[in-house]
Amino acid sequence: KNEVEQSPQNLTAQEGEFITINCSYSVGISALHWLQQHPGGGIVSLFMLSSGKKKHGRLIATINIQEKHSSLHITASHPRDSAVYICAALSGAGSYQLTFGKGTKLSVIP
Amino acid sequence: DVKVTQSSRYLVKRTGEKVFLECVQDMDHENMFWYRQDPGLGLRLIYFSYDVKMKEKGDIPEGYSVSREKKERFSLILESASTNQTSMYLCASSLSTGLGSIQETQYFGPGTRLLVL
Repeated sequence: KNEVEQSPQNLTAQEGEFITINCSYSVGISALHWLQQHPGGGIVSLFMLSSGKKKHGRLIATINIQEKHSSLHITASHPRDSAVYICAALSGAGSYQLTFGKGTKLSVIP
Repeated sequence: DVKVTQSSRYLVKRTGEKVFLECVQDMDHENMFWYRQDPGLGLRLIYFSYDVKMKEKGDIPEGYSVSREKKERFSLILESASTNQTSMYLCASSLSTGLGSIQETQYFGPGTRLLVL
């Protein structure tokens, strides 16, 4: 069973700061998913990646398959980025199941 | 846009009641999932279904059952609700390519906050 660890658990940043959230997993995967959950519960998919790097606006996700590690970066953070960020690993070809990290709660202060 | 809807945003039930949580997706996805989310524990898979009438247990199926009679609808049933089933319940769906690849992004519903008294 894959173990997915996220760090930090909680993060407080000043508006404009560069933010990094880390995710490591124990077993080889086919893809890694970054999700965002705002207060109120709804979950939105940010990225799904299996190698390299992806960028969407101020968000950048990277993955290093050999090191079993992924990072989510937020540039020029803004209070509306305040949310819980969750990484989840999709293990193996034909797998339907995601293994989730416990999430990182980000608060961006004006 | 993929849309996953859940029948209720908030639900209050009594211990011992039978509870039905409904999930509907409009994108003809093969795979559907039920999760519960609790503080400090993250998202945990209860059951999933990869086709009509097919179901597989997830990590925490005890006390729950599911039904998938139609492709677009996946129901979670609490046969006899207990206070330890107070939680946020999230439904998700995904396309099945059989490749375990990038196409299998999961789309989540808004969640149902269930309180069992």
